[in-house]
Amino acid sequence: DQQVKQNSPSLSVQEGRISILNCDYTNSMFDYFLWYKKYPAEGPTFLISISSIKDKNEDGRFTVFLNKSAKHLSLHIVPSQPGDSAVYFCAASGDSGYALNFGKGTSLLVTP
Amino acid sequence: DTAVSQTPKYLVTQMGNDKSIKCEQNLGHDTMYWYKQDSKKFLKIMFSYNNKELIINETVPNRFSPKSPDKAHLNLHINSLELGDSAVYFCASSHGTGAFVSRGYTFGSGTRLTVV
Repeated sequence: DQQVKQNSPSLSVQEGRISILNCDYTNSMFDYFLWYKKYPAEGPTFLISISSIKDKNEDGRFTVFLNKSAKHLSLHIVPSQPGDSAVYFCAASGDSGYALNFGKGTSLLVTP
Repeated sequence: DTAVSQTPKYLVTQMGNDKSIKCEQNLGHDTMYWYKQDSKKFLKIMFSYNNKELIINETVPNRFSPKSPDKAHLNLHINSLELGDSAVYFCASSHGTGAFVSRGYTFGSGTRLTVV
């Protein structure tokens, strides 16, 4: 069963606007949440993470928000750039040691 | 220098064959992983090794056998390949547990295995 869910398979945003990618999880034992970015024919690249004891973490244009009561997190990209076009994976860890549980990804397209 | 390198990048083979995928990391990490991305693009953990010791072994057919000769290498051997084994296999590495997880894994670029 899938413990991390990304219900939007794709998202299209204009350059300069905000991109918001969403993620839901079911396991309350997760203690870290991470976002990865993936280009075709490459491995996922780590973007940003957040601990379950925080509700926000910011790194440049990327901000992750965590709502533990709703078991929901989101990644905000402001401003969006064409180079941000990629598949974004949400992941969580904490219930099985070192393993990450991944969502199925959201394909972001930033148009000029 | 590539941080996590896996070879080959592409592998096409016939059903019933035995094949290996190699992975090496030069980051000094103590934990290495194999993940499988299936046709639905779902990334799922297969194995994890910490300091050459197997610590995660998910529900994977025993035709799949990982081997870690040292902390910098984690190879994946697959016996009697089946059509359903076709997928992209990713190797990754990280510093072990706890707060280090927040730094994320470093992934290789993947091996696309096609069984015909």
